[in-house]
Amino acid sequence: DAGVIQSPRHEVTEMGQEVTLRCKPISGHDYLFWYRQTMMRGLELLIYFNNNVPIDDSGMPEDRFSAKMPNASFSTLKIQPSEPRDSAVYFCASSPTGTISYNEQFFGPGTRLTVL
Amino acid sequence: DQQVKQNSPSLSVQEGRISILNCDYTNSMFDYFLWYKKYPAEGPTFLISISSIKDKNEDGRFTVFLNKSAKHLSLHIVPSQPGDSAVYFCAASVGAGSYQLTFGKGTKLSVIP
Repeated sequence: DAGVIQSPRHEVTEMGQEVTLRCKPISGHDYLFWYRQTMMRGLELLIYFNNNVPIDDSGMPEDRFSAKMPNASFSTLKIQPSEPRDSAVYFCASSPTGTISYNEQFFGPGTRLTVL
Repeated sequence: DQQVKQNSPSLSVQEGRISILNCDYTNSMFDYFLWYKKYPAEGPTFLISISSIKDKNEDGRFTVFLNKSAKHLSLHIVPSQPGDSAVYFCAASVGAGSYQLTFGKGTKLSVIP
C-alpha cells in the first residue's frame, strides 16, 4: 500500500518567492496534518484537517502560510512570500478515525525546504 | 515553551545493552503518550503508545513506562540493536480521540556494534 506521498522532496528557492508543498494522504484516512521540523523548535503542528475541513490552524506561523485541502486525496501548504527562516523540513501526516492505537499518525517522507 | 521535553539530544549504547530514552511533560491535561522513531530522510513512524490509565505498556523489545505524578515517561529498548539507531520523538495528546499531538525535540540514539 502506498504511504503518504509528498512532493517535492527537496525545494530550494530564493527569498520572496512563492513555495507550494504537496501532499497525498493514505486513501481512506480522513485526518491530514502538516508539521514543520526545525533544530530549534523540533516538530511543530501547523494545521490539521478533518474531512477536508481545517480544524485547527493555530500553529500556522503567520499570514504568509496557507493550507488547503480541495479533496480527500490532496493538500497543499503554500508560503508566500518565503523567507530564510522558513527553511525547515515540512511533513505531512494522515490518520484514519478510530485507529487501534489512538492518535497514530502516518507520516510522509517530508519536504526539505531551503530559502536563500 | 516546550510542553513535552526530551532533555537528552543524544544517547550512545552498546549493542545488546538497554537503551533508556526519557521524556518529561508539563501539561497535566495530557493523557495519551506516543513514541515515534525516525530514520534520516524518512518521516517519523509510530512505535508504541500508552494511555494515562496504565503505567506500563510492552511490545516486544520496547517498553514504555509512565509516571504520572512525576509527569515523566521513558522508553526502554532491550536488547538494543544497531537497527535501532534513529531519532526518537516523544509525543502527547489531550483526550482520547484527540488528533492533536505535541512532540518533543527528539533524542538521537546510536547503538554501537
